[in-house]
Parts: sequence; C-alpha cells; structure tokens
Amino acid sequence: EAGVAQSPRYKIIEKRQSVAFWCNPISGHATLYWYQQILGQGPKLLIQFQNNGVVDDSQLPKDRFSAERLKGVDSTLKIQPAKLEDSAVYLCASSLSWGNGGAYEQYFGPGTRLTVT
Amino acid sequence: DAKTTQPPSMDCAEGRAANLPCNHSTISGNEYVYWYRQIHSQGPQYIIHGLKNNETNEMASLIITEDRKSSTLILPHATLRDTAVYYCIVRGNNDMRFGAGTRLTVKP
Repeated sequence: EAGVAQSPRYKIIEKRQSVAFWCNPISGHATLYWYQQILGQGPKLLIQFQNNGVVDDSQLPKDRFSAERLKGVDSTLKIQPAKLEDSAVYLCASSLSWGNGGAYEQYFGPGTRLTVT
Repeated sequence: DAKTTQPPSMDCAEGRAANLPCNHSTISGNEYVYWYRQIHSQGPQYIIHGLKNNETNEMASLIITEDRKSSTLILPHATLRDTAVYYCIVRGNNDMRFGAGTRLTVKP
C-alpha cells in the first residue's frame, strides 16, 4: 500500500515570496491533515479536511496560509507572503476517517522542509 | 485532549527491551492513547494505539494501567534503527496534540 506522498521535499524561498506544497493521501482515506513542525518541537495541526470540507482550521494563520482539497483527494497548502518564522517542516497526514473517539490512526508523509531567507 | 508527561530522554542497549513511560492522569473515558515515533528528517510513524486493553503488534506492545492514568510502550528487542523521538498522545475526537516526546537512543 502506497503511503502519503508529498512534494517538494525541500524548498528555499525569500521572505514575502509565495510557496505551495502538495499532498496525495493514502487511497481511500477521507480525512487529510496538514501540520507544521518547527525545529525541536512536535507537529502542530494547521488544518483538517474530511473529504473536501474543512473540519478544523482554527490554528491556520488565515491571513497568509490557505489550503484546499477540491476533489476530496489531493490537497495543496499555500503560504503567501512567507515570513521568516514560517521556516519549518510541513507534514501531511491522512486517516480512514475521524471521530469515534480518536479510533482512527493517522499516517504521515515525509514532509516538506521550507526555509525562508 | 489530556496532557501527557514523558521523560525527555532515555538510553537503551541494543537487543534489550526499551520501556517508554507516559503519564496521562487527566485522560477521559473515551480518549485513546497513541504512540508515534519520528526518526530524524522523517514524518512521524504510527506505532500503536489503545483504549483500555493492552495491545501488541509487530512493532511494539502497549501496556495501559487499569486506571488508565499511565501507559508504557515496550519495544521488545531494540535495534539501532529504533533511535528516534517517541511521542505519547492522548486523543479524543479532535486533533492530535504532540508534546516534546522522549528521545530514545539505542546504544550498541
């Protein structure tokens, strides 16, 4: 079974530029998550999709971050304009579903390492 | 979600069992205990999860105390490739909240 795919693996941009990350979840997984992991910290959830609808985006900095999952499969996360503090690894994860008291495990992709200079 | 407490670091000899503790004294009745690990420069890897009963899979065993206030992840025969940060997470219906985890170093 193929895992969660992400691209690119690495990206270096200058502040105020824009950047986009792509994620392809495990086939059949209805729930997709984007996390931000700053060096030395655990991942922090940015946004959660169930099919093509947003379940939780309470921690997404909406003034500069946006995400979509138009057909309920692939997803893109965009940052515009980027700031120095956005330097982090951006992780995508998927699960079969969500809820049910947390019964569904999440599977993570390899992440995209973003460096903003 | 309930908070968890883990030791910041642990060492283990190669070939021996690694026992990683986690305290979650405020866990609610419908919240699961999850364990993930993260090897340097990779995404977190799912290991195991459980609600009340002990669980075992090909990677590890999860022992949950009867009062569910603490748990232990057991890697029965640690190898050098098990060196990683191990996260214990308690979650209900909402998102997984990662703490700082335990940095396990397996030594030859």
